[in-house]
Amino acid sequence: GQNIDQPTEMTATEGAIVQINCTYQTSGFNGLFWYQQHAGEAPTFLSYNVLDGLEEKGRFSSFLSRSKGYSYLLLKELQMKDSASYLCAVGEYNFNKFYFGSGTKLNVKP
Amino acid sequence: DVKVTQSSRYLVKRTGEKVFLECVQDMDHENMFWYRQDPGLGLRLIYFSYDVKMKEKGDIPEGYSVSREKKERFSLILESASTNQTSMYLCASSLGQANTEAFFGQGTRLTVV
Repeated sequence: GQNIDQPTEMTATEGAIVQINCTYQTSGFNGLFWYQQHAGEAPTFLSYNVLDGLEEKGRFSSFLSRSKGYSYLLLKELQMKDSASYLCAVGEYNFNKFYFGSGTKLNVKP
Repeated sequence: DVKVTQSSRYLVKRTGEKVFLECVQDMDHENMFWYRQDPGLGLRLIYFSYDVKMKEKGDIPEGYSVSREKKERFSLILESASTNQTSMYLCASSLGQANTEAFFGQGTRLTVV
């Protein structure tokens, strides 16, 4: 089974930095994925981590610690368009299955 | 670009009807998935398939079945729709190899009345 936890909602200011945390307990871990989902739309892929450490992708970075079952998504230079839900997902068994957390709704204010 | 297409964006059905949700992907992906998304519960896996005619139950398969007769198409069937199946249904596909992500369709918002 899976247990993936993330905060329900966060608020941040335009131009600031925000960190969204995700903790997980899983069997057969094979990667941690982050997705962005705007209201009424499908999730879109942002980043993934397979090994421990930080992966940087423009304004977005994601960190993984497998021993702690912990990941975070870091968003820099926040823009209004970053207001969305951010979903943490665990890949299992050679990525045959993906399990998702409930998502963190990020509100970016001017 | 990978394209995952779901047959309907919005659907309204009556209780007891048999409902078919269709999903097609155009990138020769081995794996296909059906999730439902409800407020506060996130995405929950209903069924997935890793090959033609192969299927595996996810976390919430009750009341659903699936069909994968061709690699590109994965259908979700609600045998007898009930009001508690009102939800957003999302189809996804992936290569099923290491370091590959899932790609999602636009979703079908199903209302059962």
